[in-house]
Amino acid sequence: QVQLQESGPGLVKPSETLSLTCAVSGYSISSGYYWGWIRQPPGKGLEWIGSIYHSGSTYYNPSLKSRVTISVDTSKNQFSLKLSSVTAADTAVYYCARDTRGFGEGYFDYWGQGTLVTVSS
Amino acid sequence: EIVLTQSPGTLSLSPGERATLSCRASQSVSSSYLAWYQQKPGQAPRLLIYGASSRATGIPDRFSGSGSGTDFTLTISRLEPEDFAVYYCQQYGSSRYTFGQGTKLEIK
Repeated sequence: QVQLQESGPGLVKPSETLSLTCAVSGYSISSGYYWGWIRQPPGKGLEWIGSIYHSGSTYYNPSLKSRVTISVDTSKNQFSLKLSSVTAADTAVYYCARDTRGFGEGYFDYWGQGTLVTVSS
Repeated sequence: EIVLTQSPGTLSLSPGERATLSCRASQSVSSSYLAWYQQKPGQAPRLLIYGASSRATGIPDRFSGSGSGTDFTLTISRLEPEDFAVYYCQQYGSSRYTFGQGTKLEIK
């Protein structure tokens, strides 16, 4: 069973960089699939942030592209998100998920439980 | 960017009734790339439907998806108490994903 688990600071100061990691178990990242980040501000809808392949190939949401970096560490079977210059508008629950685009599909089939990141001084 | 508009915003029904949720796209979406998710409070979204009409693993057959082009529908044939939640549609195109704003299905 594929499982994903987000980790990282729950509180980030404005203008700083948000950093999260997603540990994957039950499936080797190197075996295929893209791996993505999605966020959800409190009480609001879902927003795709970006996705990465084990080779390092990335796709980003154009609205966030200038501030986002997603990286992968196949040796640890995990991938990471960095979002720079954060503001209160970046306060959200951040989810990691498996992205099926590499198999001719277009959806997220496994999700982490999510982690709340609050941007506040 | 393809914008997905879901309607209604809130749907109030009773257990045993039929629910029909709509998702309209601002431009044509490939049926292969239209999905539906269910989200309960405090939980991650759960994949229900992919490819507009294929049920994900373990999803009961009371859930069905249909549609093409710009108009898609999620139907729950007979509501169970555990079906009351928020539902999101999602599309994939031009290497990016967008989600609808959600429909809240609440108990009447």
